[in-house]
Amino acid sequence: QKEVEQDPGPLSVPEGAIVSLNCTYSNSAFQYFMWYRQYSRKGPELLMYTYSSGNKEDGRFTAQVDKSSKYISLFIRDSQPSDSATYLCAMSGWDAGNMLTFGGGTRLMVKP
Amino acid sequence: GAGVSQSPSNKVTEKGKDVELRCDPISGHTALYWYRQSLGQGLEFLIYFQGNSAPDKSGLPSDRFSAERTGGSVSTLTIQRTQQEDSAVYLCASSSWDTSYEQYFGPGTRLTVT
Repeated sequence: QKEVEQDPGPLSVPEGAIVSLNCTYSNSAFQYFMWYRQYSRKGPELLMYTYSSGNKEDGRFTAQVDKSSKYISLFIRDSQPSDSATYLCAMSGWDAGNMLTFGGGTRLMVKP
Repeated sequence: GAGVSQSPSNKVTEKGKDVELRCDPISGHTALYWYRQSLGQGLEFLIYFQGNSAPDKSGLPSDRFSAERTGGSVSTLTIQRTQQEDSAVYLCASSSWDTSYEQYFGPGTRLTVT
C-alpha cells in the first residue's frame, strides 16, 4: 500500500461545477499538505499548502486537512475549462524527511 | 523572477549510454531536489541537497544514479549505463532552506532510453 493514495480519475465535470479532490495517507509524521496542478508535459505548479489540520482558502480554491482521519481535500469553486489538468497532493514533515511524498494524481476535465 | 530551469527538455539515448541532466534552481534557494515521474510509479523522490550538508540520497534507485551540486547552485543528475526502465520525466525542484514544503518545480527533462 502506498503512503499517499489518490483516485486517478479521470473526473469529468461541467463548467461552473464545484470540484472535490481527495487524498488519504498513512504516515502520521506528515505535517504539511500541498496541492500541485500539472498540465500535460509541464512541471507541477504549487497551488497551496496547509500546515496541520484546518482549512485554507485562496480565490476559488479551498484546501482542507483532517489529520485525525488522515484525509485531505481540495475544492475548486466555479470550475473553468482552464482548470483541466492533473492535480497532485503532496505531503511532508520534519520527521518524514524534507522530500515531498506524492499521491498518484487525479486527472480533472472541465467541459464547457 | 526566473523559475527553476532544466536542460535538455528532451533526451533520447541508447541503452547502455550515460546521460547528464542539468538543473538551475531559483536564485537564493539553498535546497534542491530531484524527482522522477513515470507512468507506473508516479512522482518519486530521488535526492536532496541542502546548502553544504551531505545530500540525502535515500531515493536513488541504484548505484547507476548519482548527482552533484556545484557551488551551491546548479545540479547535475547522472545516469550511467542507462536502461529502458530509466525512461521517465526527471523533475528538479528548489526551495528556501526553512520552507521545504514550498517546493517549486522546473519543466522537467523527458528521458527516453531506446
